[in-house]
Amino acid sequence: DARVTQTPRHKVTEMGQEVTMRCQPILGHNTVFWYRQTMMQGLELLAYFRNRAPLDDSGMPKDRFSAEMPDATLATLKIQPSEPRDSAVYFCASVQGAGYGYTFGSGTRLTVV
Amino acid sequence: QKEVEQNSGPLSVPEGAIASLNCTYSDRVSQSFFWYRQYSGKSPELIMSIYSNGDKEDGRFTAQLNKASQYVSLLIRDSQPSDSATYLCAVMADMRFGAGTRLTVKP
Repeated sequence: DARVTQTPRHKVTEMGQEVTMRCQPILGHNTVFWYRQTMMQGLELLAYFRNRAPLDDSGMPKDRFSAEMPDATLATLKIQPSEPRDSAVYFCASVQGAGYGYTFGSGTRLTVV
Repeated sequence: QKEVEQNSGPLSVPEGAIASLNCTYSDRVSQSFFWYRQYSGKSPELIMSIYSNGDKEDGRFTAQLNKASQYVSLLIRDSQPSDSATYLCAVMADMRFGAGTRLTVKP
């Protein structure tokens, strides 16, 4: 079964530290998304890439979050500096094209203390 | 602001009953609609997609779409305790998800 792989699965860090989350999309999927899920806000779109080009990152706090896709097999989401309010589950998802459903990774559960 | 609204729940049904989950959306140009199931502590899993007005059936699941009313629903027949999860409606024109409806199926 093709799957989206996210690392790490869990991350506990102190406020102010840098956090990097990684995602390997399914081979052949041309669009990659980063979502954040909290109990209060549900699933929020942070950013997405199509054919490795960033198309929309309006959901991200620009001063501390950054998303990149250095190659077709790796997407990264970085938070620097991290804050307690960033504590959430961060999901990566990929899709093969318009009109198809997404496949989600297992998520990174981030706790900032 | 484009919106995807789901009935807030939580929804509780007895085993064997029909569970009905509803979703409305504001973006009239949307063409692709999806239902995801998310078990507690897990990632969302695609269970149904629908693109045309009418009903689409897959086993015990039926998705219904009415573009004129901007309404999509999911019916789960013969509900099982294993169906207990949060169900997320997704409208792919703007990649937004509803807040989800938590369903509990009681034995």
